Amino acid sequence: NAGVTQTPKFQVLKTGQSMTLQCAQDMNHNSMYWYRQDPGMGLRLIYYSASEGTTDKGEVPNGYNVSRLNKREFSLRLESAAPSQTSVYFCASPKYSGSSVPGELFFGEGSRLTVL
Amino acid sequence: DQQVKQNSPSLSVQEGRISILNCDYTNSMFDYFLWYKKYPAEGPTFLISISSIKDKNEDGRFTVFLNKSAKHLSLHIVPSQPGDSAVYFCAAQAGGTSYGKLTFGQGTILTVHP
Repeated sequence: NAGVTQTPKFQVLKTGQSMTLQCAQDMNHNSMYWYRQDPGMGLRLIYYSASEGTTDKGEVPNGYNVSRLNKREFSLRLESAAPSQTSVYFCASPKYSGSSVPGELFFGEGSRLTVL
Repeated sequence: DQQVKQNSPSLSVQEGRISILNCDYTNSMFDYFLWYKKYPAEGPTFLISISSIKDKNEDGRFTVFLNKSAKHLSLHIVPSQPGDSAVYFCAAQAGGTSYGKLTFGQGTILTVHP
């Protein structure tokens, strides 16, 4: 099925540990995004990549790094996890190439991360 | 500073009645507005959108209204169905190179009772 695939779906970390969230899209789109969802805050943009080889900060980039490995894959890394990074993380890509609806994104199912 | 606000955390309606979800924004640079729907343990899915040059957009049971002077938009669902029960997020985009860089509201939990 076409779409956005995220791994892992669940992860528990201890403070200070590191981990990488993986995201892959098979829609051959240039841009990809990482959002986090927290109760009472909606979704907030962490980082995005407009095309292969480029990445830019979003609204809440502190504590994260990203890698756009190739056109398909966009990973999010937590170098030293903190309890404030407990959240649900969503990867997204435009739903249609050259979509006539700006902002119409296809989201993955999410990765639920708990930092103890 | 919350640039997009959904002031009602929850809404409960009877099946067949109208559901009205509201959203306010502060940034005048926003030129495209979207509604996303989210079920538990799934990613958000796009529902409907509206450009700032319009004041209404319809898609089946869903209609979005935009009042630019008041910086307010609303989503109407008529008639509401139990399957519409979900979290609804309002989102805004500033356009141009901001494609996909959305600013979301906090979400409203809609419950439609049979």
